[in-house]
Amino acid sequence: DSGVTQTPKHLITATGQRVTLRCSPRSGDLSVYWYQQSLDQGLQFLIQYYNGEERAKGNILERFSAQQFPDLHSELNLSSLELGDSALYFCASSVGQGEYNEQFFGPGTRLTVL
Amino acid sequence: QQQVKQSPQSLIVQKGGISIINCAYENTAFDYFPWYQQFPGKGPALLIAIRPDVSEKKEGRFTISFNKSAKQFSLHIMDSQPGDSATYFCAASLLLTRQLTFGSGTQLTVLP
Repeated sequence: DSGVTQTPKHLITATGQRVTLRCSPRSGDLSVYWYQQSLDQGLQFLIQYYNGEERAKGNILERFSAQQFPDLHSELNLSSLELGDSALYFCASSVGQGEYNEQFFGPGTRLTVL
Repeated sequence: QQQVKQSPQSLIVQKGGISIINCAYENTAFDYFPWYQQFPGKGPALLIAIRPDVSEKKEGRFTISFNKSAKQFSLHIMDSQPGDSATYFCAASLLLTRQLTFGSGTQLTVLP
């Protein structure tokens, strides 16, 4: 158990809908990262937050957004869902940024868009 | 320039054998190279990592070899065990953000 929790574990929804994925980082970790894992794209970095502020953006679609709250938990919002958004979404956390600190991954949320 | 290329896509090894997975990168600004292990239904977990100022790092049965001039690094699993059967990802990150750029993954199967 990495100490990172993600809810829900599974999510099934329809095209055009909006969903929210939640992540609680390890105690004391200030950085949260979101990654998408799909068969065709592999594991891809989406976005990073550090202590409530956005720090880096990767291949994140405009339909997707995220935020990190004062208690350091993070939410990834996916809207106008398409079939191609079906994937595993992982949250990872680390102590800080700019250092060689390990990213601990959560168990993931499996999103299925029908 | 952000890409990390990983090979082979799949690997089958006999118990006790050596498993070797290779990765190559393009961006010379990468300064941290971790390997992650992922079991089905689980998130990736850090196995071992290396910085570019070191040519080799060993932890138990796992060794990373790093060739800075060739921009390549590899994972060697000695005395491979059936419990090592998993998907392995190499990755690279930048100092400023620490976001990970992953390779495409290698599915390792160790036969008993």
